[in-house]
Amino acid sequence: AQKVTQAQTEISVVEKEDVTLDCVYETRDTTYYLFWYKQPPSGELVFLIRRNSFDEQNEISGRYSWNFQKSTSSFNFTITASQVVDSAVYFCALSEAWGNTPLVFGKGTRLSVIA
Amino acid sequence: EADIYQTPRYLVIGTGKKITLECSQTMGHDKMYWYQQDPGMELHLIHYSYGVNSTEKGDLSSESTVSRIRTEHFPLTLESARPSHTSQYLCASSERQLNTEAFFGQGTRLTVV
Repeated sequence: AQKVTQAQTEISVVEKEDVTLDCVYETRDTTYYLFWYKQPPSGELVFLIRRNSFDEQNEISGRYSWNFQKSTSSFNFTITASQVVDSAVYFCALSEAWGNTPLVFGKGTRLSVIA
Repeated sequence: EADIYQTPRYLVIGTGKKITLECSQTMGHDKMYWYQQDPGMELHLIHYSYGVNSTEKGDLSSESTVSRIRTEHFPLTLESARPSHTSQYLCASSERQLNTEAFFGQGTRLTVV
């Protein structure tokens, strides 16, 4: 069975600090996909990144970066030089290729960036 | 920007009423989903569909029902609303291809009094 764990329920940082959101997953499938979504106060989930299990290269997009490590089943998300607009709930999600399963989400991490 | 719409955004309704939450997408996506989000933020899959006339129940037992008569439309119905149905309901869609990202609507916040 697939499972996603986001151990950090809430994080508060001061603006311009770097912050890392942890994501650990469980799956029996050898082919799977990992995702990060952002949910701002307005409510909709905004897609940030999709990564397949065969691509372990880290990715950087502006102030965002993602570290995928199959050895520890982790897919962590780092925001560099955080800004108040980064305040949101962030979700990590997993989808197994076998059965083309819908997304299974972690419980989310609420990030508050204080000016 | 995703083109997936949910109506209404907010709904307050009395116990026992029948309600339908609407979800439409203009992207031609075959796959559509309904998630229920509790106040603690956690998202639970309650229904999904991989095409017209195809619907499946998700991981969380739900008293709601869904239909998929048209590709673009995936309404969710509660025959008799109860206070325990109070929650945020999020609709999403994705392409037919394997494990692509899902795009979400803005959600319907339902309160049953």
